[in-house]
Amino acid sequence: QKEVEQNSGPLSVPEGAIASLNCTYSDRGSQSFFWYRQYSGKSPELIMFIYSNGDKEDGRFTAQLNKASQYVSLLIRDSQPSDSATYLCAVNDYKLSFGAGTTVTVRA
Amino acid sequence: GAVVSQHPSRVICKSGTSVKIECRSLDFQATTMFWYRQFPKQSLMLMATSNEGSKATYEQGVEKDKFLINHASLTLSTLTVTSAHPEDSSFYICSAIPAGGQRTEQFFGPGTRLTVL
Repeated sequence: QKEVEQNSGPLSVPEGAIASLNCTYSDRGSQSFFWYRQYSGKSPELIMFIYSNGDKEDGRFTAQLNKASQYVSLLIRDSQPSDSATYLCAVNDYKLSFGAGTTVTVRA
Repeated sequence: GAVVSQHPSRVICKSGTSVKIECRSLDFQATTMFWYRQFPKQSLMLMATSNEGSKATYEQGVEKDKFLINHASLTLSTLTVTSAHPEDSSFYICSAIPAGGQRTEQFFGPGTRLTVL
């Protein structure tokens, strides 16, 4: 499987702050990138995907992709306690390859 | 739409027994389903790709004779863990791609927690 690297965390941010999550991938030919959120004991749920270089915004979430640097990030604005979860970065070239995930804790 | 179910959600069994896990796409047809395994504090690892009407494709290191996959219809794939042992205790998650849908669009089931005593 393709290598996808993430900082495991935990990342602790105060409520209302911006949480910044990073992910790097090994295969320069990868085309599509996904961010999933996983609550403890649950299966992943898709937050957003990005295919093109640059930023993509969806509500409080912004994904950023830099294919030259093989880097994709996720910003969570106005973090809420309900955002406390593990965030998984995934690269999809037909099969999903997941990073180990970053655990985020939002302090009320 | 695009709901995937798994049954059972939780199972406890004795060492040496076999356990069958079902993955169903409830409101769409899926030619391809994936089976993942997740150990505590670790990420999802793809075990195999299940294609309707053909043999599953297993990832390196996954024993096909131990993890039997059957994808007999466009809405059902089953994973059977044969002669389960405590090291097989894990969270098993399936996902499905709608027939004719983009290959990047996977919908996940809720997962099955397997505990082998």
